[in-house]
Amino acid sequence: GAVVSQHPSRVICKSGTSVKIECRSLDFQATTMFWYRQFPKKSLMLMATSNEGSKATYEQGVEKDKFLINHASLTLSTLTVTSAHPEDSSFYICSARDIGGTGAFFGQGTRLTVV
Amino acid sequence: AQSVTQLGSHVSVSEGALVLLRCNYSSSVPPYLFWYVQYPNQGLQLLLKYTTGATLVKGINGFEAEFKKSETSFHLTKPSAHMSDAAEYFCAVTEHPTGANNLFFGTGTRLTVIP
Repeated sequence: GAVVSQHPSRVICKSGTSVKIECRSLDFQATTMFWYRQFPKKSLMLMATSNEGSKATYEQGVEKDKFLINHASLTLSTLTVTSAHPEDSSFYICSARDIGGTGAFFGQGTRLTVV
Repeated sequence: AQSVTQLGSHVSVSEGALVLLRCNYSSSVPPYLFWYVQYPNQGLQLLLKYTTGATLVKGINGFEAEFKKSETSFHLTKPSAHMSDAAEYFCAVTEHPTGANNLFFGTGTRLTVIP
């Protein structure tokens, strides 16, 4: 149980295009999902917290217009990197909190490369 | 405020040797502490967690960690390293007992196991 699926696992896109990353809770409902970014040789930094049916809360320094988050259902949150640039290349990981708050479960991550 | 410091970005041990990965935390509230393992290009897998009760916590794959409040530490150990233990390890702290909230991660420790 408590499986979170992230798609795609890897994506390469051209500079200036947009990329959508999906985070799905497969066997539970997630009222809250967290989006992290992991820089090379660095820790995971929280980008934003999304709650189903409401606007995401972004951490300081994260551009909300660049990193669009949509949490339209209890099992799906999406992160769209708009007008991607090479500096957006990174590993993005989501985690989902179940309704009961028993834990936050991580997806397998998405490696984004912008060329 | 909460934060985690992991001493040693790289640790190398011989197969069969003791593994010790260090983690110190800072928290203004009672901390809930976690260790995660990350294999290349994968998400995070929970190894173990401390919430309340027994300060020595046993996790998966033979790992354990001891919460020492006086030292503000939560070091991860394993008596005998296996080749399959080679991975990145992250210590994290949160104010939520199940980790179902924003996790503050350390910068990670890459464990190399030498045959």
